[in-house]
Amino acid sequence: NAGVTQTPKFQVLKTGQSMTLQCAQDMNHEYMSWYRQDPGMGLRLIHYSVGAGITDQGEVPNGYNVSRSTTEDFPLRLLSAAPSQTSVYFCASSYSLQRSNTGELFFGEGSRLTVL
Amino acid sequence: DAKTTQPNSMESNEEEPVHLPCNHSTISGTDYIHWYRQLPSQGPEYVIHGLTSNVNNRMASLAIAEDRKSSTLILHRATLRDAAVYYCILRDFNNTGKLIFGQGTTLQVKP
Repeated sequence: NAGVTQTPKFQVLKTGQSMTLQCAQDMNHEYMSWYRQDPGMGLRLIHYSVGAGITDQGEVPNGYNVSRSTTEDFPLRLLSAAPSQTSVYFCASSYSLQRSNTGELFFGEGSRLTVL
Repeated sequence: DAKTTQPNSMESNEEEPVHLPCNHSTISGTDYIHWYRQLPSQGPEYVIHGLTSNVNNRMASLAIAEDRKSSTLILHRATLRDAAVYYCILRDFNNTGKLIFGQGTTLQVKP
């Protein structure tokens, strides 16, 4: 049981490049989400999904796209990277609250992205 | 989305109890109160959650006010490893259940 796996752990991009941050979970969780955390700041929700085929925007969605074609995977795409997207990105998942009143969110180890 | 308010920082001495407060005056009846903590250079981890009654687990206790407009996370004996940012978050049972993190409380533990 690997939990929540994020790849890559580190990435350096040039302005304008595109890339995809991968997130996979093996716990059959319905809910998945992406956060970004800038230095010295709290986590901000980018996008989230309550199940395969369903996604929605969080607090800071601009510049990011997501899709959820399977229960296990929730990739985050940066279409045209900007220096303002330099951050640490965390993927998190949980059972839906309808299935478990715990709703404990499990986090990946993070992906550190630098945009030059 | 209902918001939470926490002090920016708190200090504690090692081996002493710590009470971390959280105000959530606009909480709805279907909001669960969740606490997470983030150790330096790590992702957040779940600590405890509750709805109406006080809760205990191996990590901490959660005391919830009778009107549910505030709660307190209690670490019974702080250790140096408990130095972290603690987040109090509301999660709506009847909604999408998205979690919005605030700034949290940075807890310093002095030896």
